[in-house]
Amino acid sequence: NAGVTQTPKFRVLKTGQSMTLLCAQDMNHEYMYWYRQDPGMGLRLIHYSVGEGTTAKGEVPDGYNVSRLKKQNFLLGLESAAPSQTSVYFCASSWGTGELFFGEGSRLTVL
Amino acid sequence: GQSLEQPSEVTAVEGAIVQINCTYQTSGFYGLSWYQQHDGGAPTFLSYNALDGLEETGRFSSFLSRSDSYGYLLLQELQMKDSASYFCAVFSYSGAGSYQLTFGKGTKLSVIP
Repeated sequence: NAGVTQTPKFRVLKTGQSMTLLCAQDMNHEYMYWYRQDPGMGLRLIHYSVGEGTTAKGEVPDGYNVSRLKKQNFLLGLESAAPSQTSVYFCASSWGTGELFFGEGSRLTVL
Repeated sequence: GQSLEQPSEVTAVEGAIVQINCTYQTSGFYGLSWYQQHDGGAPTFLSYNALDGLEETGRFSSFLSRSDSYGYLLLQELQMKDSASYFCAVFSYSGAGSYQLTFGKGTKLSVIP
């Protein structure tokens, strides 16, 4: 009953540091998404993937990179973290419909 | 690009009915979804409308008018636990055989006794 799992759940970084957020899903979904959520801004799409080995840019892709080497995993990387990237990050997966299954979120603070 | 408009806040009384409206502008529209998010939690799926009309799921109903680029979420017999943020989201074709879900900024619903 794991569904969508995100690691880590909390992280504090210094400006300029790098890190990777891992998303894993066990529902055999083709689609996976990374969103960020900031107060008053709703959820904004960073990058998404429509299948293993594919990635595409969303609404706010700058400063992030992604990889989908395995169908069940979708990695979000920050090469040089900035304070503007302080946010809550949500991963989601789906069958390619309007019904997404979300992870619990990863809370990132960049000092 | 995509744009969605929904009220930022709504307050309603326990036991009452509340309607949250959503208007959108998008290309490649396929359908409209609704999500609920409690403070500190993850968004959870409520409903999806691909065709015009009303879809009912228990106390919640969702409506879509494609010609008006408009939809709403109707919550009946409000309970205190319904206090949360509600997001409409447009499911649209983004090219090269792929689809994406774009969210509105959310409506914070407060249910009062």
